[in-house]
Amino acid sequence: DVKVTQSSRYLVKRTGEKVFLECVQDMDHENMFWYRQDPGLGLRLIYFSYDVKMKEKGDIPEGYSVSREKKERFSLILESASTNQTSMYLCASSSPRTGGRLEQYFGPGTRLTVT
Amino acid sequence: DAKTTQPPSMDCAEGRAANLPCNHSTISGNEYVYWYRQIHSQGPQYIIHGLKNNETNEMASLIITEDRKSSTLILPHATLRDTAVYYCIVNANAGKSTFGDGTTLTVKP
Repeated sequence: DVKVTQSSRYLVKRTGEKVFLECVQDMDHENMFWYRQDPGLGLRLIYFSYDVKMKEKGDIPEGYSVSREKKERFSLILESASTNQTSMYLCASSSPRTGGRLEQYFGPGTRLTVT
Repeated sequence: DAKTTQPPSMDCAEGRAANLPCNHSTISGNEYVYWYRQIHSQGPQYIIHGLKNNETNEMASLIITEDRKSSTLILPHATLRDTAVYYCIVNANAGKSTFGDGTTLTVKP
């Protein structure tokens, strides 16, 4: 089974802190994604990556950056956390070899609270 | 990407079939229909996808109309553990998908 793990289930940070959210997948997937999920707004794509060192902006990239130095790891960085970044963050991965790029496998999520 | 429309909520009796509809009238020829579900406090889980033909796997069946403008996800024997939000997505491009509000399915004893 595909396994996508995220570094923390719950995280509390202060405004202005630099925050790193880590995601690791063990299925050699080329594609990785970061979403945030908020009540009434669904899942919104922040950034995605097709390959190592490649990244593309999603729908809401402002205030975030990403890093993909290794194929299995995709990091989301909040350079200076703000209260409006309090949310559930979900990482996903997929491979074009397994039936299409949108057959995504999600991690359990990180619930981030910025105070 | 094509927009999808789903009812906000549905109920189903335990042991009965749950039929979840999705309209995607602007779907393009190269776009697949994907279904995911999200159980409370977990990440979304892939269920099934299809292009033109009906599909079945161990979790569900997907029925796509001939004109491809709508589809139905069928859970043949719903259990309480199937209570979740179900998302229908139509997309051909990696990463540019939109997960809308989905349908909240409640399976009742």
